[in-house]
Amino acid sequence: NAGVTQTPKFQVLKTGQSMTLQCAQDMNHEYMSWYRQDPGMGLRLIHYSVGAGITDQGEVPNGYNVSRSTTEDFPLRLLSAAPSQTSVYFCASSPAGQGADEQYFGPGTRLTVT
Amino acid sequence: AQKITQTQPGMFVQEKEAVTLDCTYDTSDQSYGLFWYKQPSSGEMIFLIYQGSYDEQNATEGRYSLNFQKARKSANLVISASQLGDSAMYFCAMREGLGGYNKLIFGAGTRLAVHP
Repeated sequence: NAGVTQTPKFQVLKTGQSMTLQCAQDMNHEYMSWYRQDPGMGLRLIHYSVGAGITDQGEVPNGYNVSRSTTEDFPLRLLSAAPSQTSVYFCASSPAGQGADEQYFGPGTRLTVT
Repeated sequence: AQKITQTQPGMFVQEKEAVTLDCTYDTSDQSYGLFWYKQPSSGEMIFLIYQGSYDEQNATEGRYSLNFQKARKSANLVISASQLGDSAMYFCAMREGLGGYNKLIFGAGTRLAVHP
């Protein structure tokens, strides 16, 4: 049981390039999310999904696309990278339900856009 | 709108002593959940403790306890008997509603340093 995995761990992009951050979970969780963490700030929600085929925007969705074709995978696409997207990106998953359904976080991807 | 405020950018504590990390929240919802996460220097997010808005008793998990004062809208984390390995960033987070997708709003965090 690997939990939530993210690839790559580190990435450097030039302004205008595109790329996909990968996220996978093996816990059969319905809910998955992408957050970004900027220096001195907490995590902010980019996009989330409540099940395969269903996605929605979070607090800071501009410049990012997501899709959820399977329960396991939830990739995050940067369409045209900008220096403002330099951040640490976390993917998280959680089971559907009520109560203390904490989100299980991946190890993060550190992205630098030059 | 939801908001989480952590007013202590940094705290330090002597090893084996207790420390309280402050968290206040703002919500108009009656149903919500409060979480604390630890982020060590390695970067991963580690879930520590959860408190539901209707829970009458303060949550406890080992050396962690959550001092929940609903009227004051505060959810302070208390770490007892601090250890060197407790040195990390600590984030308070809130989720509105007790069912459905748990969209979390995070505070800016408190950096805790434990001194020997």
